[in-house]
Amino acid sequence: DAGVTQSPTHLIKTRGQQVTLRCSPKSGHDTVSWYQQALGQGPQFIFQYYEEEERQRGNFPDRFSGHQFPNYSSELNVNALLLGDSALYLCASSYPKTETIYGYTFGSGTRLTVV
Amino acid sequence: DQQVKQNSPSLSVQEGRISILNCDYTNSMFDYFLWYKKYPAEGPTFLISISSIKDKNEDGRFTVFLNKSAKHLSLHIVPSQPGDSAVYFCAASARSSNTGKLIFGQGTTLQVKP
Repeated sequence: DAGVTQSPTHLIKTRGQQVTLRCSPKSGHDTVSWYQQALGQGPQFIFQYYEEEERQRGNFPDRFSGHQFPNYSSELNVNALLLGDSALYLCASSYPKTETIYGYTFGSGTRLTVV
Repeated sequence: DQQVKQNSPSLSVQEGRISILNCDYTNSMFDYFLWYKKYPAEGPTFLISISSIKDKNEDGRFTVFLNKSAKHLSLHIVPSQPGDSAVYFCAASARSSNTGKLIFGQGTTLQVKP
């Protein structure tokens, strides 16, 4: 059973460019959340998608946007990249009825480097 | 404003001994707490959780204790094994507010020496 799959695993972009990161949730999960983990820090919540709608958003600028598709997969888009956007981007999926038992399942992340 | 804090960046213990990782929080709306373990080049892996209606939850070698009055939780690993060496994150959420977002601490790096 595949867990959460993220692509690409690594990415190098130039300041000002745009990037799209992709996530396929674990089978049976319908909710996808995105987190940004800077070096030496804990993951920070970006937003969560459920039923193709953004259900909740963290303290991130509008340059960060997302989408969820009917098959529950999701994309994270970041426009006008800044050096400070360099981080590990983690996708987590869950099924609300089992969150308290199994928590959220994370992917291995996409390492984004902005130069 | 760091709502979840792990004040010890690192911890080193001997194999077979107890590892105790601590976490403090400030938001009284938090009602669900989780611990995750993270190896390099991998995503965080769910370890154990606890609801605010409990003060202890046990799963094998892992036990989480919650002290609501002190806004403090701890993860006990007994006995510690070298394979437990990883970064441990505590996380909290306010499920009663219908919010699924997790607030993470900064992490504690555990090293278990053989």
